[in-house]
Amino acid sequence: RKEVEQDPGPFNVPEGATVAFNCTYSNSASQSFFWYRQDCRKEPKLLMSVYSSGNEDGRFTAQLNRASQYISLLIRDSKLSDSATYLCVVNSGGGADGLTFGKGTHLIIQP
Amino acid sequence: GAVVSQHPSWVICKSGTSVKIECRSLDFQATTMFWYRQFPKQSLMLMATSNEGSKATYEQGVEKDKFLINHASLTLSTLTVTSAHPEDSSFYICSATDTLTEAFFGQGTRLTVV
Repeated sequence: RKEVEQDPGPFNVPEGATVAFNCTYSNSASQSFFWYRQDCRKEPKLLMSVYSSGNEDGRFTAQLNRASQYISLLIRDSKLSDSATYLCVVNSGGGADGLTFGKGTHLIIQP
Repeated sequence: GAVVSQHPSWVICKSGTSVKIECRSLDFQATTMFWYRQFPKQSLMLMATSNEGSKATYEQGVEKDKFLINHASLTLSTLTVTSAHPEDSSFYICSATDTLTEAFFGQGTRLTVV
């Protein structure tokens, strides 16, 4: 059974701080990894893909550790607008199996 | 990025009636569409996977006779909740992909059955 595990939080973080959270996956054959952001009562939106070499987009850094089967998301200089639920998504390349979502990590940035 | 349009965005219906939700890929051909359900404070749960021109594949525990999925073209999939009951009230989201990598989501449909 393919599983994606995340700490649900909530993570309460002061504005300006750096926060990081991980996501573990059980299927070693997983091929693609993503972080999605979901605001309350909205659809998920792609935040960033996660590449093997790690990648950065502004204040956001994503990393993949295949040996330990986890991906991470780091947010620097956090803003109030970063408050959301962050979903870890894994595509195991199973065609009709689609994407497997973690339950999400709820992040609250406090002023 | 690609656009997926989902309608209606919200609907309130009486118990026992049926509700149809549409999901359209506007600028690409979606060979595969996925339907998810999300209850409050929970993550998305995959209900079914539909491939154009074939029967949908339902996840365990999802009643295929209750949640009818039609994927008649490469740009349109519909989910019909038949004989809806209050416990079917939820946030339903579709996603579409052409490469089976990144998924693009519709705006979601908030269904309330009274």
